[in-house]
Amino acid sequence: SQTIHQWPATLVQPVGSPLSLECTVEGTSNPNLYWYRQAAGRGLQLLFYSVGIGQISSEVPQNLSASRPQDRQFILSSKKLLLSDSGFYLCAWSQGTNYEQYFGPGTRLTVT
Amino acid sequence: AQTVTQSQPEMSVQEAETVTLSCTYDTSESDYYLFWYKQPPSRQMILVIRQEAYKQQNATENRFSVNFQKAAKSFSLKISDSQLGDAAMYFCAYRKGGSEKLVFGKGTKLTVNP
Repeated sequence: SQTIHQWPATLVQPVGSPLSLECTVEGTSNPNLYWYRQAAGRGLQLLFYSVGIGQISSEVPQNLSASRPQDRQFILSSKKLLLSDSGFYLCAWSQGTNYEQYFGPGTRLTVT
Repeated sequence: AQTVTQSQPEMSVQEAETVTLSCTYDTSESDYYLFWYKQPPSRQMILVIRQEAYKQQNATENRFSVNFQKAAKSFSLKISDSQLGDAAMYFCAYRKGGSEKLVFGKGTKLTVNP
C-alpha cells in the first residue's frame, strides 16, 4: 500500500530564515505530487504541483518554491520566510490527473 | 473561477443520529469531480467520498452518502449512525476534469455528542 510522509511535523522559524519541507511517497511510482497550505480557519489552497521529475507548476505567486529531485520526493522551500508564510502545509499525491488526491500528515509552520 | 461554498460553519449531531452537511459549487464546466474530505484533530485530510459529475447515481461509502443535485450545483454529505470518531472538520472540494487543482470550501466543523 502507498504511504506519504512529511517532515518535520512542526517548525518554528524566524522571519527572514530559509525553509525546507520534505514530502516522500512510498509504494507507487511516477505519482502526481502537490503542496497545499491551510491558513487558520480556512480551506486548503494549492501552491504547487508536479506531474514528473523536474516538472513544477505554480498556482500562487509568492516567495515559496518547490522542487522534485526524485520521482517520489517533493520539496517546498523559501529563501526568506515572511510572517504570512505561517500555516499548515500539506503534501498530497495521486495516481494521475483524474484520480483522488491523498494527503500526508502535514507540517505546522510558525514564523515568528 | 470555480468556487465552493459550505454555508454551515458548525454542526452538531447526537451519536447514532443522522446529519447532513451542505455544499454548493459554482462552475460552467460539464466535466468535474466532487469530493468530501474529513480533517480530524490530527489535521490529516482523509478522503471520505468522491462523485463524478457524469454519474447520476449518488456515491455511497458505508455510513457516508451524498445527495448530488447537478442542476442545483449542490453536493451534500449525509452521515448515518453518527459515531464519536466522526467528529472533525469536513471539507467539500471540486476539481475540473483534466485539472490538477482541488478547490476547497471553508469547511464545516462537526461535533458528535454522546
